[in-house]
Amino acid sequence: IQLTQSPSFLSASVGDRVTITCRASQGISSYLAWYQQKPGKAPKLLIYAASSLQNGVPSRFSGSGSGTEFTLTISSLQPEDFATYYCEQVKSFPLTFGGGTKVEI
Amino acid sequence: QITLKESGPALVKPTQTLTLTCSFSGFSITATGAGVGWIRQPPGEALEWLALIYWDDDKRYSPSLKNRLTISKDTSKNQVVLTMTNVDPVDTATYYCAHSGVSGHDFWGQGTLVTVSS
Repeated sequence: IQLTQSPSFLSASVGDRVTITCRASQGISSYLAWYQQKPGKAPKLLIYAASSLQNGVPSRFSGSGSGTEFTLTISSLQPEDFATYYCEQVKSFPLTFGGGTKVEI
Repeated sequence: QITLKESGPALVKPTQTLTLTCSFSGFSITATGAGVGWIRQPPGEALEWLALIYWDDDKRYSPSLKNRLTISKDTSKNQVVLTMTNVDPVDTATYYCAHSGVSGHDFWGQGTLVTVSS
C-alpha cells in the first residue's frame, strides 16, 4: 500500500492553521498513524487510528479521514511544531510510511 | 515507562553482515499483542519499515529486504535482534527500533547511525 503525502514542503507562520494530506493507494479503513519528527530525533506518535490523539499530545493536533484520504490538522501552529510529519498505514504488511511533509517557518 | 535503545556498529564494510540489538524495558515481549519493529531512515530521506516480531514469534519483513533480514527475540534479556546480510552503501541509515502495536509505533529508541563504507 503506497501512501502519498502532500504537500512535501509547507511554509507557515506561528498561529496558522495547517493541514497535511495523506492518500493511500487502496482502502485502509482507519488504520493510519501520524508522526512528528524533529531533526536528529526519533519520530513521535501523534495520532493513531486516524483520529485518536496519543497521550500527552496537545489538542491543537487532530486527525481525520478513513478509507484512502486522511488529514492531519494543526489548529494554531506553535514554534515547537516546526518539524517533519509522516503518515503510516498499519492495515497490512508491509507497513508503509508516506514521504513526509516538512513544515518550515 | 517504556524505553528502547539500539546498539550496534557505527561502521560496516560492504558485503558484511550487520547485527543490531534493541534493548527494551517497561514491557514484556511475551505479553499478548506486544511487538517490536525496526525502521530505518537514510540521511535526509523518509522512514522505511523493515521488520517486526510479535509476542508469539510471528515475524514480518519488508518484501524488498526479506532475503537479507532476520529478526529474533531473546525474552530473557529483553532484547530484539535484527541482522542484515550483504550490506551495501545504500543501507547507510539511522536504524530505529520501536514498540509496535495495532495502532502504530508508540515508543521509539533514539536510533543508531550505521554507515556502510569500505
